[in-house]
Amino acid sequence: QQPVQSPQAVILREGEDAVINCSSSKALYSVHWYRQKHGEAPVFLMILLKGGEQKGHDKISASFNEKKQQSSLYLTASQLSYSGTYFCGTVGPNFGNEKLTFGTGTRLTIIP
Amino acid sequence: GAVVSQHPSWVICKSGTSVKIECRSLDFQATTMFWYRQFPKQSLMLMATSNEGSKATYEQGVEKDKFLINHASLTLSTLTVTSAHPEDSSFYICSARPTGAFNYEQYFGPGTRLTVT
Repeated sequence: QQPVQSPQAVILREGEDAVINCSSSKALYSVHWYRQKHGEAPVFLMILLKGGEQKGHDKISASFNEKKQQSSLYLTASQLSYSGTYFCGTVGPNFGNEKLTFGTGTRLTIIP
Repeated sequence: GAVVSQHPSWVICKSGTSVKIECRSLDFQATTMFWYRQFPKQSLMLMATSNEGSKATYEQGVEKDKFLINHASLTLSTLTVTSAHPEDSSFYICSARPTGAFNYEQYFGPGTRLTVT
């Protein structure tokens, strides 16, 4: 079953922060985050592995709570370039299952 | 690094014809490649998993006789849409997983927009 993301869409002013959530109905091995701009392929952002991992790069970070089967993506001091649709992709529950199941998506619009 | 190309970027074809889409990993080897389809404003839906040297594994509801996948080498997978119909019009995206990748990361190609008239 497809992971559910929230919110479905959000509009922010440049410099504001955003949180995007990804919730799965099944146990997970890892969560992947991607950003996709209109008409383009998804761009890889980061992977989080089970074990309560958190990581970040520049002003984008993420956390993974395997017990809750949830992951959150944090965008701080958003820039215009952050606009796009964000997808989480989940792998699991077992290590041997390598298929990536994409979430429902969150459309982020940053305005000046 | 980790560049994946797709060819063509877009294609318009007549109903009933076949279309081939190529997916190449340019700077790494990929034992496993994936094919997705994405309709406007929707998420990516996995169609099939392509493994080099073996038959592809199709997701439930995907017609394997209609969507032919061939993973001929460690850097090339092809998707052929046979007897295309207007309902096959979509954005087709491939991804490739580097051989030996520990964390199942996948890198996506730029996508191919198929329009069937």
